[in-house]
Amino acid sequence: AQSVSQHNHHVILSEAASLELGCNYSYGGTVNLFWYVQYPGQHLQLLLKYFSGDPLVKGIKGFEAEFIKSKFSFNLRKPSVQWSDTAEYFCAADSWGKLQFGAGTQVVVTP
Amino acid sequence: GAGVSQSPSNKVTEKGKDVELRCDPISGHTALYWYRQRLGQGLEFLIYFQGNSAPDKSGLPSDRFSAERTGESVSTLTIQRTQQEDSAVYLCASSLASGGPEAFFGQGTRLTVV
Repeated sequence: AQSVSQHNHHVILSEAASLELGCNYSYGGTVNLFWYVQYPGQHLQLLLKYFSGDPLVKGIKGFEAEFIKSKFSFNLRKPSVQWSDTAEYFCAADSWGKLQFGAGTQVVVTP
Repeated sequence: GAGVSQSPSNKVTEKGKDVELRCDPISGHTALYWYRQRLGQGLEFLIYFQGNSAPDKSGLPSDRFSAERTGESVSTLTIQRTQQEDSAVYLCASSLASGGPEAFFGQGTRLTVV
């Protein structure tokens, strides 16, 4: 069955630390990949997306993600986090229209 | 509209009652999704509409759950004979097309079954 898995449920780190969140998907064929973020009390919003082309994609707020087809992975990175990056992060994959999400990773950035 | 709108924002209902949740997608968006998010858990896919195609209902957890969409506009998610385990935030999202642009989410309906 098609699925999306995220490696960590909770991550706590200090400001200025680097962040990497793992995401793997189990789709065959063409797949579109996304990272969404949900800040406390807000809607889910798109951070970045990959459809084709350069496997390293840049998103908003300094985030980037790398698509590695051979590993079925789409990991999210940010070199230096801020307190305002405290949020829940969701990886998602879309194949033939069915957009499925991972379980989410709660990220807490301490001052 | 400017964004995806869901109503009500909050709903408290007694066990066994039916509830209807509404989603107004962004105008022109042909794809519409419903998800369920239980406390502390991820987004659980429920159902997906794309234009006039038959909806993908593969995520509906039981036959108590159903959803309809009128053309490319409003969708309603109905839960019959609600149970306590149905308590969750129900999220609606829409996008211009399937397999393409980003999905925009509503604020969700928080359903509490007592």
